Amino acid sequence: EVQLVESGGGLVQPGGSLRLSCVVSGFTFSDHYMDWVRQAPGKGLEWIGRSRNKAINYSTEYAASVKGRFTISRDDSKKSLYLYMNNLKTEDTAVYYCAKGYCSGRSCYSGLGYWGQGTLVTVSS
Amino acid sequence: QSVLTQPPSVSAAPGQTVTISCSGSSSNIGNNFVSWYQRFPGTPPKLLLYEYNERPSGIPDRFSGSRSGTSATLVITGLQTGDEADYYCGTWDSSLSAGVFGGGTKLTVL
Repeated sequence: EVQLVESGGGLVQPGGSLRLSCVVSGFTFSDHYMDWVRQAPGKGLEWIGRSRNKAINYSTEYAASVKGRFTISRDDSKKSLYLYMNNLKTEDTAVYYCAKGYCSGRSCYSGLGYWGQGTLVTVSS
Repeated sequence: QSVLTQPPSVSAAPGQTVTISCSGSSSNIGNNFVSWYQRFPGTPPKLLLYEYNERPSGIPDRFSGSRSGTSATLVITGLQTGDEADYYCGTWDSSLSAGVFGGGTKLTVL
């Protein structure tokens, strides 16, 4: 069974930093790309970034709203995905999810079929 | 403003059919697969459809989707009160090199 468990959320002051973690199980982590998605209170889903798999050199992509402030990394040996958030702003307050593409059999697809429960980040003074 | 445009809300009676539209451009919907998600408050999104109209295991065939040009549509037939939720479309935008979601549509089953 695929499981994704986020941690690391909490209260941080504007301008501060935080590291989120996503530990996975139930699939070969190094073979899959992983996304971070967030949802601010009362707002819709916002894609934040992607960590591609080993075969694509772990390349990353970011949303314009976080580029230069957020960094995604991964440790395949620990089956963990990370989101380093710097220079946090009040508008970064949200529930942060890690997610991966849906797979059926040996095929995987672009739809995000597996999500963690999310971790809440609150940026406030 | 979201890159993909959805109506903020739709409503219909139990048993009826509802459609939710998702409008984009050639850099996203026009050339990339669209997925649809269902989200209840306080829970993570659930994948309803991928590659426009493919259902993950466990998703009933009351949910279907399509694409025409730079727009996609989610159709829900035989509405149930349990379908009341927020629905989001999502895809990749090749120009932005980023994932994008619609702003979400709140479905009310009257």
